[in-house]
Amino acid sequence: AQSVTQLGSHVSVSEGALVLLRCNYSSSVPPYLFWYVQYPNQGLQLLLKYTTGATLVKGINGFEAEFKKSETSFHLTKPSAHMSDAAEYFCAVTRGGNNRLAFGKGNQVVVIP
Amino acid sequence: DTGVSQNPRHKITKRGQNVTFRCDPISEHNRLYWYRQTLGQGPEFLTYFQNEAQLEKSRLLSDRFSAERPKGSFSTLEIQRTEQGDSAMYLCASSLQRDSNYGYTFGSGTRLTVV
Repeated sequence: AQSVTQLGSHVSVSEGALVLLRCNYSSSVPPYLFWYVQYPNQGLQLLLKYTTGATLVKGINGFEAEFKKSETSFHLTKPSAHMSDAAEYFCAVTRGGNNRLAFGKGNQVVVIP
Repeated sequence: DTGVSQNPRHKITKRGQNVTFRCDPISEHNRLYWYRQTLGQGPEFLTYFQNEAQLEKSRLLSDRFSAERPKGSFSTLEIQRTEQGDSAMYLCASSLQRDSNYGYTFGSGTRLTVV
């Protein structure tokens, strides 16, 4: 079974600073990887995904993530944090043929002015 | 395309009462998923449908929970004899079968509070 680890439930970042959210996965087969964002009292919005091909993927709102098979990681970054980035971020994994998304516990991002 | 719609957005109920939630997926999506999200946790898979057929259920879905998708369109999730531990956000998502490994479209969720 696949699973996802996100460390540090709360992440504080200064406005304009680098945002880095770490995600490590375990999967017995090549995974499909996702980052979702959730704003208060709302559902999840897809930020970006890795399926096959280029390991550096770009998403919405200036976010990007790099799939590193050797490190079983899919860390999310954004060069310069904006106040509107304050939200909860979830890493998720699924694998070909399996329809379940397995989510990590999430990172609550706080942006400090 | 109005996205995935869930109703109600909020529900407060007394312990022991039955509740029903509705999900309207994106019209051409044949797959529909239910997830549950408790405070401080990521969403957990409950069940999914392909058209009207319920193809998989999590062990989290106890016998007090039932989900249906008549005619392969909207879906309902019913919880009977609610308990305080059922308090959570219930999320619905949909996708096309061919795109199901590429991420789903989630609704805004129904937040259930059992008092």
